[in-house]
Amino acid sequence: GAGVSQTPSNKVTEKGKYVELRCDPISGHTALYWYRQSLGQGPEFLIYFQGTGAADDSGLPNDRFFAVRPEGSVSTLKIQRTERGDSAMYLCASGPGLAGNNEQFFGPGTRLTVL
Amino acid sequence: QKEVEQNSGPLSVPEGAIASLNCTYSDRGSQSFFWYRQYSGKSPELIMSIYSNGDKEDGRFTAQLNKASQYVSLLIRDSQPSDSATYLCAAFDYKLSFGAGTTVTVRA
Repeated sequence: GAGVSQTPSNKVTEKGKYVELRCDPISGHTALYWYRQSLGQGPEFLIYFQGTGAADDSGLPNDRFFAVRPEGSVSTLKIQRTERGDSAMYLCASGPGLAGNNEQFFGPGTRLTVL
Repeated sequence: QKEVEQNSGPLSVPEGAIASLNCTYSDRGSQSFFWYRQYSGKSPELIMSIYSNGDKEDGRFTAQLNKASQYVSLLIRDSQPSDSATYLCAAFDYKLSFGAGTTVTVRA
């Protein structure tokens, strides 16, 4: 079946602009996660959705970052007033969200570059 | 201190040898553990999951978990050049916490 998809694959923007990154999870997966990965580091947690609600947004670095998942499927990560330090690979992962099965499968990522 | 620490590498092994990767974690609430493989410029790919103490084998991969020592390892047997990648250890406590990864190079 289809895996997690993310669009765009690459996004170049200017400092101060607004960007939206989209994630389409594996069909039927209720758990959806956003991570951010910088070069040479492991992915860092940003936010977790179980269904439509954000179960944990403690990883969002500041209030410029926001994410939604209005129908419990597709999610959008929104970044306002982008800064050069926001440049990274943004990864989305989905999982079945079942007790005893915490596996997460990653999409191809969106490479964000803020000039 | 990071929640998940991995041996820093890089690790270079000859083709056909065993590659051994180690990981420790600090959160005793972590419930399950995962190894991901990440090729350069690509996203992480799940290769092993382990939930209980002991060994779990899947093909050429063996994961080991010791919750008392808060230690996870991955063995890659009969290493192939296609195994050359960065291997990420992750601990799950309602979210994944990742180590920085260990880069493995398999020499032909």
